Amino acid sequence: EPEVTQTPSHQVTQMGQEVILRCVPISNHLYFYWYRQILGQKVEFLVSFYNNEISEKSEIFDDQFSVERPDGSNFTLKIRSTKLEDSAMYFCASSGPLYEQYFGPGTRLTVT
Amino acid sequence: AQSVTQLDSQVPVFEEAPVELRCNYSSSVSVYLFWYVQYPNQGLQLLLKYLSGSTLVKGINGFEAEFNKSQTSFHLRKPSVHISDTAEYFCASYSSASKIIFGSGTRLSIRP
Repeated sequence: EPEVTQTPSHQVTQMGQEVILRCVPISNHLYFYWYRQILGQKVEFLVSFYNNEISEKSEIFDDQFSVERPDGSNFTLKIRSTKLEDSAMYFCASSGPLYEQYFGPGTRLTVT
Repeated sequence: AQSVTQLDSQVPVFEEAPVELRCNYSSSVSVYLFWYVQYPNQGLQLLLKYLSGSTLVKGINGFEAEFNKSQTSFHLRKPSVHISDTAEYFCASYSSASKIIFGSGTRLSIRP
């Protein structure tokens, strides 16, 4: 069964550093998403991406964040200058036309 | 604004007992509802979804949920739980074509 994959599974970085989280969505999906989950809290929407542009973004997704689909398979989330409060689990998701989003296993980002 | 409310943050039950996890939604537009499960240290897995049609939807692992429009609820049920059902359960709703809104989650703990 096709699945969404994410790398790395765990990323540790120092405050102020740039990080890139990578995702490979399901191959025939057209919609891509990033969510995050701060430890012990609910899953929050960050951004959605369709047809090579952002469809919607939350107030969390400020100028420090960016997304890109650099080739036909990868979907990346970049945080330019990480803060302590960016520490969270980041989930990538993709969907076809039927409103069902498939989630990856997540990348745990720890900012020290 | 659309929202999803999970009334119980934790639900302890004995093994083989029935369980109901409560979820209420608010929406002024078409409603698409989901239940996701998150096992310890893992990503989000779709349990079941309601898009249209029969109000009783069956999902994986013996779970089912009933869409009740008059009560704006989408409660999750299982007639007999197992230790392996120990997890966090998230109710979710499509807020727009671009994102899912999650409830705060219910931690289901199973006692032997």
